[in-house]
Amino acid sequence: TQLLEQSPQFLSIQEGENLTVYCNSSSVFSSLQWYRQEPGEGPVLLVTVVTGGEVKKLKRLTFQFGDARKDSSLHITAAQPGDTGLYLCAGARQGPTDSWGKLQFGAGTQVVVTP
Amino acid sequence: NAGVTQTPKFQVLKTGQSMTLQCAQDMNHEYMSWYRQDPGMGLRLIHYSVGAGITDQGEVPNGYNVSRSTTEDFPLRLLSAAPSQTSVYFCASSYPRWPRNTGELFFGEGSRLTVL
Repeated sequence: TQLLEQSPQFLSIQEGENLTVYCNSSSVFSSLQWYRQEPGEGPVLLVTVVTGGEVKKLKRLTFQFGDARKDSSLHITAAQPGDTGLYLCAGARQGPTDSWGKLQFGAGTQVVVTP
Repeated sequence: NAGVTQTPKFQVLKTGQSMTLQCAQDMNHEYMSWYRQDPGMGLRLIHYSVGAGITDQGEVPNGYNVSRSTTEDFPLRLLSAAPSQTSVYFCASSYPRWPRNTGELFFGEGSRLTVL
């Protein structure tokens, strides 16, 4: 059972279009991270959100953490072929008695941007 | 700037064989972990370590052993390979998360294992 559900699983769009990827859970997370993974490589961190309602922008990428800290979204404006990759969300549940907060990953959304 | 280094990158095994996937990091990270990645399943945690001499099980530990004798190295051992262990394996390291930071994971490039 996937603790974090990502949707859609696959997204194919044309260059210049916008897209949104969702990451949902019934559990509350202390922080949530988004990674991007390219073929043959390990995931690379894009952003970490820690406060409910938080919005972070990374150039054309906008990340939002839900008010209840159970969900998150990634929006890409005017997508480019370089945005192609597998986008993974990962949540951490941690507190003073759990200093190592193991990350739970979603299954990922494969994004393909064609010229 | 090596970061996290995994070897080998590719390996083919026969059922029942044993092997070790190597992982080394040069960032002095206390936390190291092994994940496996399968289509549609995302990354699943196999084992992790919070420092030399300390290891613990993750979500899918069966069939795998780990040890942590140094801060830098965290090998993953497959004792008797099975076709169900065909996967891409990632080693990742990090600083401790609480309360210092939110714990970015630094991943290696992965080791693709096929068990026939």
